[in-house]
Amino acid sequence: QKEVEQNSGPLSVPEGAIASLNCTYSDRGSQSFFWYRQYSGKSPELIMSIYSNGDKEDGRFTAQLNKASQYVSLLIRDSQPSDSATYLCAVTGGNKLVFGAGTILRVKS
Amino acid sequence: GAVVSQHPSRVICKSGTSVKIECRSLDFQATTMFWYRQFPKQSLMLMATSNEGSKATYEQGVEKDKFLINHASLTLSTLTVTSAHPEDSSFYICSVPGEGYGYTFGSGTRLTVV
Repeated sequence: QKEVEQNSGPLSVPEGAIASLNCTYSDRGSQSFFWYRQYSGKSPELIMSIYSNGDKEDGRFTAQLNKASQYVSLLIRDSQPSDSATYLCAVTGGNKLVFGAGTILRVKS
Repeated sequence: GAVVSQHPSRVICKSGTSVKIECRSLDFQATTMFWYRQFPKQSLMLMATSNEGSKATYEQGVEKDKFLINHASLTLSTLTVTSAHPEDSSFYICSVPGEGYGYTFGSGTRLTVV
Protein backbone atom coordinates (compact mmCIF):
# COMPACT_ATOMS: atom_id res chain seq x y z
CA GLN A 1 0.00 0.00 0.00
CA LYS A 2 1.36 3.38 -1.00
CA GLU A 3 1.82 5.87 1.82
CA VAL A 4 0.01 8.69 0.05
CA GLU A 5 -2.51 7.97 -2.68
CA GLN A 6 -4.05 10.27 -5.23
CA ASN A 7 -6.05 9.71 -8.37
CA SER A 8 -3.69 10.55 -11.22
CA GLY A 9 -6.44 12.07 -13.35
CA PRO A 10 -6.57 14.03 -15.48
CA LEU A 11 -9.42 15.83 -13.82
CA SER A 12 -11.08 18.14 -16.31
CA VAL A 13 -13.35 20.96 -15.17
CA PRO A 14 -14.81 23.94 -17.03
CA GLU A 15 -13.62 27.42 -16.20
CA GLY A 16 -15.49 28.81 -13.21
CA ALA A 17 -16.36 25.41 -11.77
CA ILE A 18 -15.18 23.84 -8.51
CA ALA A 19 -12.32 21.38 -8.77
CA SER A 20 -12.16 18.73 -6.05
CA LEU A 21 -8.90 16.90 -5.43
CA ASN A 22 -8.60 14.03 -3.00
CA CYS A 23 -5.85 12.24 -1.14
CA THR A 24 -5.63 9.40 1.36
CA TYR A 25 -2.68 8.48 3.55
CA SER A 26 -1.70 5.39 5.47
CA ASP A 27 0.23 6.65 8.49
CA ARG A 28 -2.19 7.51 11.30
CA GLY A 29 0.59 9.32 13.10
CA SER A 30 0.94 11.95 10.39
CA GLN A 31 0.60 15.45 11.74
CA SER A 32 1.05 17.84 8.84
CA PHE A 33 -0.59 17.87 5.45
CA PHE A 34 0.19 19.95 2.42
CA TRP A 35 -1.02 20.63 -1.08
CA TYR A 36 1.53 21.70 -3.65
CA ARG A 37 1.00 22.84 -7.20
CA GLN A 38 3.55 21.91 -9.84
CA TYR A 39 3.66 23.26 -13.34
CA SER A 40 5.44 21.22 -15.98
CA GLY A 41 9.21 21.53 -15.65
CA LYS A 42 8.99 23.56 -12.46
CA SER A 43 9.44 22.74 -8.80
CA PRO A 44 6.43 22.44 -6.47
CA GLU A 45 4.98 25.52 -4.81
CA LEU A 46 3.01 25.37 -1.59
CA ILE A 47 -0.69 26.17 -1.86
CA MET A 48 -2.13 25.06 1.44
CA SER A 49 -1.09 23.49 4.69
CA ILE A 50 -3.46 21.99 7.24
CA TYR A 51 -2.75 20.47 10.62
CA SER A 52 -6.10 19.89 12.36
CA ASN A 53 -9.41 18.35 11.42
CA GLY A 54 -11.85 20.52 9.53
CA ASP A 55 -11.63 23.09 6.80
CA LYS A 56 -9.07 25.77 6.11
CA GLU A 57 -9.79 28.42 3.53
CA ASP A 58 -7.39 30.71 1.70
CA GLY A 59 -8.85 32.70 -1.15
CA ARG A 60 -10.21 30.31 -3.76
CA PHE A 61 -8.64 27.30 -2.05
CA THR A 62 -10.10 25.21 0.76
CA ALA A 63 -8.27 22.31 2.33
CA GLN A 64 -10.22 19.71 4.28
CA LEU A 65 -8.75 17.20 6.70
CA ASN A 66 -10.35 14.16 8.30
CA LYS A 67 -7.80 12.30 10.37
CA ALA A 68 -10.24 9.56 11.37
CA SER A 69 -10.73 8.68 7.72
CA GLN A 70 -7.10 9.51 6.84
CA TYR A 71 -8.34 11.76 4.10
CA VAL A 72 -7.37 15.22 2.93
CA SER A 73 -8.87 17.17 0.06
CA LEU A 74 -8.42 20.42 -1.81
CA LEU A 75 -11.24 22.41 -3.33
CA ILE A 76 -10.53 25.09 -5.90
CA ARG A 77 -13.42 27.47 -6.47
CA ASP A 78 -13.90 29.50 -9.64
CA SER A 79 -11.28 27.42 -11.43
CA GLN A 80 -9.15 29.27 -13.95
CA PRO A 81 -7.12 27.96 -16.89
CA SER A 82 -4.02 29.08 -14.99
CA ASP A 83 -4.92 26.51 -12.31
CA SER A 84 -4.12 23.76 -14.81
CA ALA A 85 -1.22 21.89 -13.24
CA THR A 86 -0.35 18.80 -11.25
CA TYR A 87 -1.46 18.95 -7.63
CA LEU A 88 0.63 17.04 -5.16
CA CYS A 89 -0.62 15.92 -1.78
CA ALA A 90 2.16 15.61 0.79
CA VAL A 91 2.17 14.25 4.31
CA THR A 92 4.84 14.35 6.95
CA GLY A 93 6.20 11.07 8.23
CA GLY A 94 8.61 11.95 11.01
CA ASN A 95 10.38 14.98 9.59
CA LYS A 96 10.17 13.68 6.03
CA LEU A 97 7.69 14.89 3.47
CA VAL A 98 6.11 12.06 1.51
CA PHE A 99 4.36 12.86 -1.75
CA GLY A 100 1.50 11.28 -3.57
CA ALA A 101 1.81 10.70 -7.30
CA GLY A 102 -0.16 13.86 -8.05
CA THR A 103 -3.42 14.66 -9.81
CA ILE A 104 -3.37 16.42 -13.15
CA LEU A 105 -5.97 19.18 -13.28
CA ARG A 106 -7.12 20.67 -16.56
CA VAL A 107 -9.34 23.71 -16.55
CA LYS A 108 -10.99 24.29 -19.89
CA SER A 109 -11.96 27.77 -20.99
CA GLY B 1 8.54 30.79 4.22
CA ALA B 2 12.22 30.13 3.63
CA VAL B 3 13.90 31.40 0.48
CA VAL B 4 15.78 28.60 -1.25
CA SER B 5 18.22 29.02 -4.11
CA GLN B 6 19.30 26.05 -6.22
CA HIS B 7 22.00 26.03 -8.90
CA PRO B 8 22.47 25.21 -11.67
CA SER B 9 18.99 25.11 -13.14
CA ARG B 10 20.11 23.00 -16.07
CA VAL B 11 23.22 20.98 -16.72
CA ILE B 12 24.29 18.65 -19.48
CA CYS B 13 27.25 16.42 -18.80
CA LYS B 14 29.04 13.55 -20.45
CA SER B 15 28.61 10.03 -19.20
CA GLY B 16 31.19 9.19 -16.55
CA THR B 17 31.67 12.72 -15.28
CA SER B 18 30.47 14.21 -11.99
CA VAL B 19 28.04 17.04 -11.43
CA LYS B 20 27.58 19.16 -8.31
CA ILE B 21 24.26 20.78 -7.45
CA GLU B 22 24.04 23.47 -4.77
CA CYS B 23 21.10 24.27 -2.53
CA ARG B 24 21.22 27.42 -0.41
CA SER B 25 18.82 28.56 2.27
CA LEU B 26 19.06 32.33 1.96
CA ASP B 27 17.16 33.50 5.03
CA PHE B 28 16.85 30.48 7.27
CA GLN B 29 19.42 28.38 9.06
CA ALA B 30 18.63 24.86 8.02
CA THR B 31 20.06 21.99 10.04
CA THR B 32 18.23 19.66 7.68
CA MET B 33 17.63 19.78 3.97
CA PHE B 34 16.08 17.20 1.70
CA TRP B 35 17.01 16.06 -1.78
CA TYR B 36 14.36 14.72 -4.16
CA ARG B 37 14.48 13.28 -7.63
CA GLN B 38 11.63 13.38 -10.11
CA PHE B 39 11.48 11.38 -13.33
CA PRO B 40 9.12 12.50 -16.12
CA LYS B 41 5.45 12.15 -15.23
CA GLN B 42 6.29 10.72 -11.83
CA SER B 43 6.10 12.16 -8.36
CA LEU B 44 8.93 13.41 -6.21
CA MET B 45 10.92 10.66 -4.58
CA LEU B 46 12.97 11.45 -1.51
CA MET B 47 16.61 10.51 -2.05
CA ALA B 48 18.25 11.60 1.16
CA THR B 49 18.13 13.83 4.19
CA SER B 50 21.07 16.19 4.46
CA ASN B 51 22.18 16.90 8.04
CA GLU B 52 24.40 19.83 8.92
CA GLY B 53 27.69 18.66 10.33
CA SER B 54 26.97 14.96 10.03
CA LYS B 55 26.39 12.24 7.47
CA ALA B 56 23.38 12.28 5.23
CA THR B 57 20.64 9.73 5.64
CA TYR B 58 19.83 7.93 2.43
CA GLU B 59 16.54 6.33 1.47
CA GLN B 60 16.42 2.68 0.62
CA GLY B 61 17.74 1.97 -2.85
CA VAL B 62 19.73 5.20 -3.17
CA GLU B 63 23.47 4.64 -3.59
CA LYS B 64 25.30 6.84 -1.12
CA ASP B 65 28.60 6.46 -2.98
CA LYS B 66 27.02 7.67 -6.17
CA PHE B 67 25.04 10.57 -4.73
CA LEU B 68 27.39 12.39 -2.41
CA ILE B 69 25.78 14.88 -0.05
CA ASN B 70 27.63 17.51 1.92
CA HIS B 71 25.95 19.86 4.38
CA ALA B 72 28.90 21.87 5.59
CA SER B 73 27.00 24.91 6.86
CA LEU B 74 23.53 25.88 8.00
CA THR B 75 22.84 27.51 4.65
CA LEU B 76 24.38 25.20 2.08
CA SER B 77 23.88 21.60 1.05
CA THR B 78 25.40 20.07 -2.07
CA LEU B 79 24.52 16.97 -4.04
CA THR B 80 27.19 15.50 -6.28
CA VAL B 81 26.20 12.91 -8.84
CA THR B 82 29.36 10.92 -9.42
CA SER B 83 30.15 8.94 -12.57
CA ALA B 84 26.88 10.02 -14.07
CA HIS B 85 25.09 7.79 -16.55
CA PRO B 86 22.12 8.47 -18.83
CA GLU B 87 19.76 6.78 -16.35
CA ASP B 88 20.69 9.48 -13.82
CA SER B 89 19.10 12.09 -16.05
CA SER B 90 16.31 13.55 -13.97
CA PHE B 91 14.97 16.61 -12.21
CA TYR B 92 16.71 17.07 -8.85
CA ILE B 93 15.07 19.31 -6.26
CA CYS B 94 16.12 20.32 -2.77
CA SER B 95 13.82 21.45 0.00
CA VAL B 96 14.12 23.16 3.33
CA PRO B 97 11.66 22.35 6.11
CA GLY B 98 10.10 25.10 8.15
CA GLU B 99 7.70 25.25 11.04
CA GLY B 100 4.30 26.61 10.20
CA TYR B 101 4.80 27.10 6.50
CA GLY B 102 5.64 23.72 5.17
CA TYR B 103 8.64 22.85 3.13
CA THR B 104 10.10 25.29 0.61
CA PHE B 105 11.57 23.90 -2.57
CA GLY B 106 14.44 25.09 -4.68
CA SER B 107 13.80 25.76 -8.35
CA GLY B 108 15.23 22.38 -9.32
CA THR B 109 18.07 21.19 -11.52
CA ARG B 110 17.43 19.45 -14.81
CA LEU B 111 20.31 17.02 -15.31
CA THR B 112 20.88 15.47 -18.71
CA VAL B 113 23.64 12.91 -19.09
CA VAL B 114 24.70 12.25 -22.68
